[in-house]
Amino acid sequence: DIVLTQSPDSLAVSLGERATINCKSSQTILYSPNNRNSLAWYQQKPGQPPKLLFYWTSIRESGVPERFSGSGSGTDFTLTISSLQAEDVAVYYCQHYYTTPLFGGGTRLEI
Amino acid sequence: QVQLQESGPGLVKPSETLSLTCTVSGGSISDYYWSWVRQPPGKELEWIGYVHYTGNTNFNPSLRSRVSLSVDTSWNRFSLKLRSVTAADTAVYYCARAARGAIYYFHLWGQGTLVTVSS
Repeated sequence: DIVLTQSPDSLAVSLGERATINCKSSQTILYSPNNRNSLAWYQQKPGQPPKLLFYWTSIRESGVPERFSGSGSGTDFTLTISSLQAEDVAVYYCQHYYTTPLFGGGTRLEI
Repeated sequence: QVQLQESGPGLVKPSETLSLTCTVSGGSISDYYWSWVRQPPGKELEWIGYVHYTGNTNFNPSLRSRVSLSVDTSWNRFSLKLRSVTAADTAVYYCARAARGAIYYFHLWGQGTLVTVSS
């Protein structure tokens, strides 16, 4: 099974500062037909369902602010928030869909 | 605007069957893949399986032996049955729709329903 390891488990960032969340895959998740990595990112606020932020590593879902970006290659992937806003406080999950979909353990982002 | 709503018992006894339904409103159940995802309290998300509007299904291997999914296009809803439940199946259960053209990343979610397994 492909395992996703997120780091850090929790992160405190000041308003306006950059937040970086990492997700490491135990093996490649590169989907050959489109040469893209099968990775998505979600944001989950308390008492709410997850919200899709990115798919295929870096394709931003409609409505997601541009301060959010997804990147990565190989087995290392990153979600970056360029300038943290108060409403970004949440738990963030990566998810691969190369084989049976699996989510990472989550990163709690606080101010 | 398409919305998903889970419904079903919030309490299930050990060894019994958990049954949930997701009703799709504001749009058709056709042309998409529909999944169930669960989240035990304080833990990460776990994909359970999908059902396509054609009735095609796929499951998480860890749950395959206990799960069945079905779709009712007439009522625009799909359902989950999880047999022989234990306390480890206590979780918030979400229904979700994959993005158009996709299967396994989810851009539309229900609000979730907490199911507790307890006698």
